[in-house]
Amino acid sequence: EVQLVESGGVVVQPGGSLRLSCAASGFTFDDYTMHWVRQAPGKGLEWVSLISWDGGSTYYADSVKGRFTISRDNSKNSLYLQMNSLRTEDTALYYCAKAIVSGSYGFGYWGQGTLVTVSS
Amino acid sequence: DIQMTQSPSSLSASVGDRVTITCQASQDISNYLNWYQQKPGKAPKLLIYDASNLETGVPSRFSGSGSGTDFTFTISSLQPEDIATYYCQQYDNLPPAFGQGTRLEIK
Repeated sequence: EVQLVESGGVVVQPGGSLRLSCAASGFTFDDYTMHWVRQAPGKGLEWVSLISWDGGSTYYADSVKGRFTISRDNSKNSLYLQMNSLRTEDTALYYCAKAIVSGSYGFGYWGQGTLVTVSS
Repeated sequence: DIQMTQSPSSLSASVGDRVTITCQASQDISNYLNWYQQKPGKAPKLLIYDASNLETGVPSRFSGSGSGTDFTFTISSLQPEDIATYYCQQYDNLPPAFGQGTRLEIK
């Protein structure tokens, strides 16, 4: 059974930093592109970033480019999101998601999310 | 960037009704469209991929159709457990983009 468990969400002040983690199990982690998708309270879904199976390619939404960094450790079946220069508009539930098929930009499985609140 | 326009934004229907949601892409995306269900307080769940393919384990009352720029998601007979928000999502180009969602309620 595929499992994705996010952690690291906390309350942080504007301008602060945070690192989210996602622990994966139940599938061959290094076969798949992985994504972060977020959802602001009461709002819709927004794709944030993706990383290829080997970490060689990364892409970001314009809203986070230059502030967030996605990475992965295939030896630990783990995905990360380093979030710097946080803004109030980054407040959201952050989901880790597995590509439907290797390299896909669709999301086959989602974790339960970790809540990031940016507030003074 | 490709924009996805989903309608309606909310919908109230009775158990047993046929429910239809539409999604329009701002440019041709072939069949690179998925549909997700998000129940309150839960993570989204993939229902339909490649516009019309039912994900394993998803009830057959759910279906999808369309290609190019116009897509349709249908529940053939609404059940109480279908109360959720539904999202379309294009994956033809980066960035992947979602529709704004359709909140489905029971009348």
